[in-house]
Amino acid sequence: TAGITQAPTSQILAAGRSMTLRCTQDMRHNAMYWYRQDLGLGLRLIHYSNTAGTTGKGEVPDGYSVSRANTDDFPLTLASAVPSQTSVYFCASSDSTGGYNEQFFGPGTRLTVL
Amino acid sequence: GQNIDQPTEMTATEGAIVQINCTYQTSGFNGLFWYQQHAGEAPTFLSYNVLDGLEEKGRFSSFLSRSKGYSYLLLKELQMKDSASYLCAVRDSNYQLIWGAGTKLIIKP
Repeated sequence: TAGITQAPTSQILAAGRSMTLRCTQDMRHNAMYWYRQDLGLGLRLIHYSNTAGTTGKGEVPDGYSVSRANTDDFPLTLASAVPSQTSVYFCASSDSTGGYNEQFFGPGTRLTVL
Repeated sequence: GQNIDQPTEMTATEGAIVQINCTYQTSGFNGLFWYQQHAGEAPTFLSYNVLDGLEEKGRFSSFLSRSKGYSYLLLKELQMKDSASYLCAVRDSNYQLIWGAGTKLIIKP
C-alpha cells in the first residue's frame, strides 16, 4: 500500500511562476491537510479538507489555493510564488478529524523559490 | 494565542532514559499527539493522549495532565535509531492540530 504520495520530490521555482504540488492517498481517508515546515517553527497548516468537495483555510493560507474534487487527491497551487514560500511541504490525511485518528504524512516536497 | 513549547534540543546516552516535555496553551483541547521525525523524512505517529495519565507503548510512554497543560514523552533503553526530532501537537477546539517546533534528540554511544 502506497499510503500518501507527493510530487514532485523537490523543485526550484522562479519567483512569480505558478506551481501545483500534487498529493494522492489510497487509504480512502476523509480528511486531508497541507502543511509547511520551516526551520525552527512547528508544522503550520495551510489548507485542509474534512471531506471531498469541501476545503478550509488553515493558519497560513495566503498565496495558496486547494481543491478537493474527489477523496484521493488534494493538490496545492501557488499562483505566483514568492521567496518566502521556500519550505518543505507535507500533505497528510486522516480517517476523520476527531477521536483516535492520527494523521498520516506523505514524504514531502522541498520547494525553493528564487 | 495558541502556543506549544518544547525544548529545542536534548542529548542522551545509548541505553539510558530521556523525558521530553511539552507545555501547551490552546483554544480548546481535543487530544495530544506525539510524532517522530527523522531528518529529511515525514513525521510518523507515536502516541495519543486525551485523558490524564500515562499511555505505555513498548519503549515509549506518554503522559498527560490537562489541568497543567503538560505532557511528556518518555523513551527508555535508548537506541541510536531514536536520534530524531520529536513533535508535540495538540488538537484544538476546531479539531486542527497545533504543532510545537519539535525537540531534536541526539543519542551518543
